[in-house]
Amino acid sequence: AQSVAQPEDQVNVAEGNPLTVKCTYSVSGNPYLFWYVQYPNRGLQFLLKYITGDNLVKGSYGFEAEFNKSQTSFHLKKPSALVSDSALYFCAVRPSTGGGNKLTFGTGTQLKVEL
Amino acid sequence: KAGVTQTPRYLIKTRGQQVTLSCSPISGHRSVSWYQQTPGQGLQFLFEYFSETQRNKGNFPGRFSGRQFSNSRSEMNVSTLELGDSALYLCASSLMTGPQETQYFGPGTRLLVL
Repeated sequence: AQSVAQPEDQVNVAEGNPLTVKCTYSVSGNPYLFWYVQYPNRGLQFLLKYITGDNLVKGSYGFEAEFNKSQTSFHLKKPSALVSDSALYFCAVRPSTGGGNKLTFGTGTQLKVEL
Repeated sequence: KAGVTQTPRYLIKTRGQQVTLSCSPISGHRSVSWYQQTPGQGLQFLFEYFSETQRNKGNFPGRFSGRQFSNSRSEMNVSTLELGDSALYLCASSLMTGPQETQYFGPGTRLLVL
């Protein structure tokens, strides 16, 4: 069975500084990895995904993520954080075979960007 | 293109009642999945429907059921509600079913069971 770990419940960053939200995964076979963001009282918004190819994936709103197979990690990054980036971030995984559309999510990381 | 819509947005029920939640996917999307989000258990997969057939099911009791109609709209039903069913229920749609597909989520239905 697949699993996702987001080791930090909360990450605090000053506006303008780079941010990293960590994610590690466990899955049989090749992983398909996703990042979503959730604002208060809203559903999840898709940010980016890794399927295959380049290990650096670029997504919406200036976010990017780096896939590292040896470390089984898929950390979310942004070069310069904005206060408006403050939200709850979820990493999710699917195995490349089986499981259909089922996503397995991490517990989420609350990002707080301060002035 | 309109996003995923869910109705109602908020719902209050009492224990023992049943509830039906509705989801309209993005136009052209044929797969609909449902997730439950709670503070304690996080985001958990309930089930997926594609072409009116249930493709996957999560580890939830039989009180949780769903269906999909020919226009891809989906409903989920929870019978004999329990306090622990209080949650945000999220619907997600994708063009097809398969591991590469991106799921797009609706705003959710917040269910409170008293």
